[in-house]
Amino acid sequence: NAGVTQTPKFRVLKTGQSMTLLCAQDMNHEYMYWYRQDPGMGLRLIHYSVGEGTTAKGEVPDGYNVSRLKKQNFLLGLESAAPSQTSVYFCDSSRGLDRIYNEQFFGPGTRLTVL
Amino acid sequence: AQTVTQSQPEMSVQEAETVTLSCTYDTSESDYYLFWYKQPPSRQMILVIRQEAYKQQNATENRFSVNFQKAAKSFSLKISDSQLGDAAMYFCAYRLDRGTDKLIFGTGTRLQVFP
Repeated sequence: NAGVTQTPKFRVLKTGQSMTLLCAQDMNHEYMYWYRQDPGMGLRLIHYSVGEGTTAKGEVPDGYNVSRLKKQNFLLGLESAAPSQTSVYFCDSSRGLDRIYNEQFFGPGTRLTVL
Repeated sequence: AQTVTQSQPEMSVQEAETVTLSCTYDTSESDYYLFWYKQPPSRQMILVIRQEAYKQQNATENRFSVNFQKAAKSFSLKISDSQLGDAAMYFCAYRLDRGTDKLIFGTGTRLQVFP
């Protein structure tokens, strides 16, 4: 099993460009999440999904869109990148059965720089 | 809304000594999980230790232990016999025991270990 993978690992964009970050997991997990990590601010939840075809907003959703067309993939899109979106992005997944402890698995992160 | 606070941006410890990292949180819920994650320079998020709120006994994992004070909403991490490999960012995190498995993170503590 590869666990949780993120593509790409690094990316540099110019202001106004668009891109999509891919998170893939091979553990048949129901729940998937996108976080961003900024210095001094920890990790903050952008969007999440509790199953194929579902998405929901997290703490900092503005400027991002997501899709979960396939259970194993969770896409994070930036339609018009801004310097404020320069960050490290982490994907996370969990099995998602209610009231049972489910271990969470993090991807290796994507470092995005917007010039 | 739940919040997690880490008031120590940086800590340092001598190799083989003991260090304690602090974390406080705010919640009106009674059933939840608390975590400490380690993030080395590789950026990978590594689960160090987990505490279920319903358990009075403090969790222990080898050299890592917690002091969980539910009434005071405090959750500190003690690292005994510190090693050079313990140097990293440490994040305290909170999660409800039901629902979406969303994590709420503190802002992190950078731990330096000196030989």
